[in-house]
Amino acid sequence: EDQVTQSPEALRLQEGESSSLNCSYTVSGLRGLFWYRQDPGKGPEFLFTLYSAGEEKEKERLKATLTKKESFLHITAPKPEDSATYLCAVRGIEGAGSYQLTFGKGTKLSVIP
Amino acid sequence: DVKVTQSSRYLVKRTGEKVFLECVQDMDHENMFWYRQDPGLGLRLIYFSYDVKMKEKGDIPEGYSVSREKKERFSLILESASTNQTSMYLCACHDRGYEQYFGPGTRLTVT
Repeated sequence: EDQVTQSPEALRLQEGESSSLNCSYTVSGLRGLFWYRQDPGKGPEFLFTLYSAGEEKEKERLKATLTKKESFLHITAPKPEDSATYLCAVRGIEGAGSYQLTFGKGTKLSVIP
Repeated sequence: DVKVTQSSRYLVKRTGEKVFLECVQDMDHENMFWYRQDPGLGLRLIYFSYDVKMKEKGDIPEGYSVSREKKERFSLILESASTNQTSMYLCACHDRGYEQYFGPGTRLTVT
């Protein structure tokens, strides 16, 4: 069974204070690791897909990296508008015909001005 | 950009009512999904569909059914709503890279 654990559950940062969110996973044959952003009361918004260890993706102040056991979402010089819950998900070779994503419970990020 | 729409943002129903939640996608994707999201439990897959009239159970299908008569439309049905089905319901479809694109969600309250 695929599993995703995100830490910390919640993170408060001062504006400009860089940090990282962690996503640890166990999966039978990783076919993709996905990062999402979710604002309160809204659906998750897709950010990145990573497929293999060593891969990195960037978007504005966000950078996602991947190892064989975990992924990090690095946030550089965050702004208040980066406040959201960040979700991590994996796709393995099992589960719902391999279409299924297994989601973590998320990290709620608050950036204080 | 992929666009996924859901029929209602907020819905209040009474226990025992039959409830329909509808989802429409505009990108001709074959695979569509229904999740519910609850505090502390995260996103849980209820059902998914990989083609018209084809469906598969997810992790928590009990109390739900689905319908997919047309490729762009995927409906979630609560046959007899109960208070433990109060939740945020999210529809998604996935692109070629298997990243899923979500609708805005329907917050359902069953009283």
